Amino acid sequence: DADVTQTPRNRITKTGKRIMLECSQTKGHDRMYWYRQDPGLGLRLIYYSFDVKDINKGEISDGYSVSRQAQAKFSLSLESAIPNQTALYFCATSDPGQRSYEQYFGPGTRLTVT
Amino acid sequence: GNSVTQMEGPVTLSEEAFLTINCTYTATGYPSLFWYVQYPGEGLQLLLKATKADDKGSNKGFEATYRKETTSFHLEKGSVQVSDSAVYFCALGNAGGTSYGKLTFGQGTILTVHP
Repeated sequence: DADVTQTPRNRITKTGKRIMLECSQTKGHDRMYWYRQDPGLGLRLIYYSFDVKDINKGEISDGYSVSRQAQAKFSLSLESAIPNQTALYFCATSDPGQRSYEQYFGPGTRLTVT
Repeated sequence: GNSVTQMEGPVTLSEEAFLTINCTYTATGYPSLFWYVQYPGEGLQLLLKATKADDKGSNKGFEATYRKETTSFHLEKGSVQVSDSAVYFCALGNAGGTSYGKLTFGQGTILTVHP
């Protein structure tokens, strides 16, 4: 089984709808992250959480919110989806005990906002 | 702040050709450096890493050496295969200030290998 899972894998939604993307991990890592990927722009950080009580904004948090329900679960919400939020979204985890800061990624959610 | 610059793609090669994808960075302190690979329809996988100057990371025939004097971490492979077709991301992570616990990614380089 995959260590980091994301649901749904694909989603089409309409402008103005609220949508939630979910991430679960079995790696036992404290740190979790949400990124979006757009062609030619690499990965940009939306939100991150270093433990259940810690939530931080990334470089592009406007229009998004998150919830850290447990160590293993980190959800991303789009309060009112707009077409320029069409992108590939990735969840990632890391272990603070690893001083190298490497992260482990889920398979991604492809979101289309029409 | 931290930044990573990768050579622009796409890169198209014939099978068994030599591959270089350039990566340079700007960072404070002593970052760790990574190459991630994204195969079609999949998430990012860690390909290799280096955590200090002059370290060489290697995996699956790919290599990269952490060059602090030139702030570079170029990815190389001596003989590419069709199965290496993917998007490659250079990234750095360090403990400095507001970058603590986060990775900074380059924009990605698309590699296509033809038979």
